[in-house]
Amino acid sequence: EPEVTQTPSHQVTQMGQEVILRCVPISNHLYFYWYRQILGQKVEFLVSFYNNEISEKSEIFDDQFSVERPDGSNFTLKIRSTKLEDSAMYFCASRRDEVSGANVLTFGAGSRLTVL
Amino acid sequence: DQQVKQNSPSLSVQEGRISILNCDYTNSMFDYFLWYKKYPAEGPTFLISISSIKDKNEDGRFTVFLNKSAKHLSLHIVPSQPGDSAVYFCAASAQAGKSTFGDGTTLTVKP
Repeated sequence: EPEVTQTPSHQVTQMGQEVILRCVPISNHLYFYWYRQILGQKVEFLVSFYNNEISEKSEIFDDQFSVERPDGSNFTLKIRSTKLEDSAMYFCASRRDEVSGANVLTFGAGSRLTVL
Repeated sequence: DQQVKQNSPSLSVQEGRISILNCDYTNSMFDYFLWYKKYPAEGPTFLISISSIKDKNEDGRFTVFLNKSAKHLSLHIVPSQPGDSAVYFCAASAQAGKSTFGDGTTLTVKP
């Protein structure tokens, strides 16, 4: 069964450092997402990406965050200067291009980011 | 403004009994509602969905009920099995946009 793969599974970084989280979505999916879950809290939407541009972003997704799909397969989330409060599990998700429907997302296993 | 709420952080049921997980929402523009299941160290996995034009959708042991007037949905699992123990997230979307998730309910099914 096709799956979304994320790397690294766990990254520890110092505050102020740049972090890049990588995702390989399912090959025939066209919409890509990043969500995050701070420990014990809900899964929060960060950003959606379609046709090589951001289609929607949340208030969390400020200037410190960026996304790109540089080579047509990898979908990356960059945090320019990490803060302690960026510590969370980051989930990548993708879905097919459906004009209507349940908008079912396929999630990766997540990348745990720990900022010290 | 929390548009999707799961007011019960945890639920414990006996194997073979019914599990009922509840979810409330505030945004009347939501047109699809989904349930995801999440095991530790894994991402959420899709379980079942329902369109806002329906009031019930069934898939094996899982049934989702939607009460639009009350802005409430529930997931019924019958019979519950120990392998169902996981965190269950309710999610909602409007016009195929982003999905908004609830806080999750941890279900424990005891043998």
